[in-house]
Amino acid sequence: AQSVSQHNHHVILSEAASLELGCNYSYGGTVNLFWYVQYPGQHLQLLLKYFSGDPLVKGIKGFEAEFIKSKFSFNLRKPSVQWSDTAEYFCAVNARYGNKLVFGAGTILRVKS
Amino acid sequence: ETGVTQSPTHLIKTRGQQVTLRCSSQSGHNTVSWYQQALGQGPQFIFQYYREEENGRGNFPPRFSGLQFPNYSSELNVNALELDDSALYLCASSLMPWEGQDNEQFFGPGTRLTVL
Repeated sequence: AQSVSQHNHHVILSEAASLELGCNYSYGGTVNLFWYVQYPGQHLQLLLKYFSGDPLVKGIKGFEAEFIKSKFSFNLRKPSVQWSDTAEYFCAVNARYGNKLVFGAGTILRVKS
Repeated sequence: ETGVTQSPTHLIKTRGQQVTLRCSSQSGHNTVSWYQQALGQGPQFIFQYYREEENGRGNFPPRFSGLQFPNYSSELNVNALELDDSALYLCASSLMPWEGQDNEQFFGPGTRLTVL
């Protein structure tokens, strides 16, 4: 069975600090990988996705993530966070032709202004 | 905004009651997936409907059931509500991977269900 582990449940950063959120998954086959964000009071939005090709993917709002197949990891990064990045971030995986997303427990990011 | 709508936005029920939640998929999508997001957790897959047929189910009891209609909108029904059913229920619409598009799922705003 697939599973996703997010390393930190709560992260507090000051504005302009760099961000890295860890995500590891467990699955033996080919996967699609996603990072979703949930801003306070808003619905889940896709930040970025990896299906194939360049393992370094760029998403919206300056976020990027790197797929490292040997480590089963898909860490999310941003060089300089803003107060508006305060939100909950979810890593998710599905099998290449699978029908369900498996989510991690989420990381709540608070950015202090 | 994703074009996926859900109703109602909030709902309060008591233990033992039944509830129906509704989802309208994004235009052009024929697949709807339902997820349960309990407080402090990530969304958990309940089931998926593709062209009006159930196409996969997560680890949820049979009192969670669903329907998909010819216009691809969908319902989630939960019978004999329990306190632990209190959660945000999300639906997501998509196409299937073999239909020529990455199977990215687009989420609606969710229905917040409280069971007292």
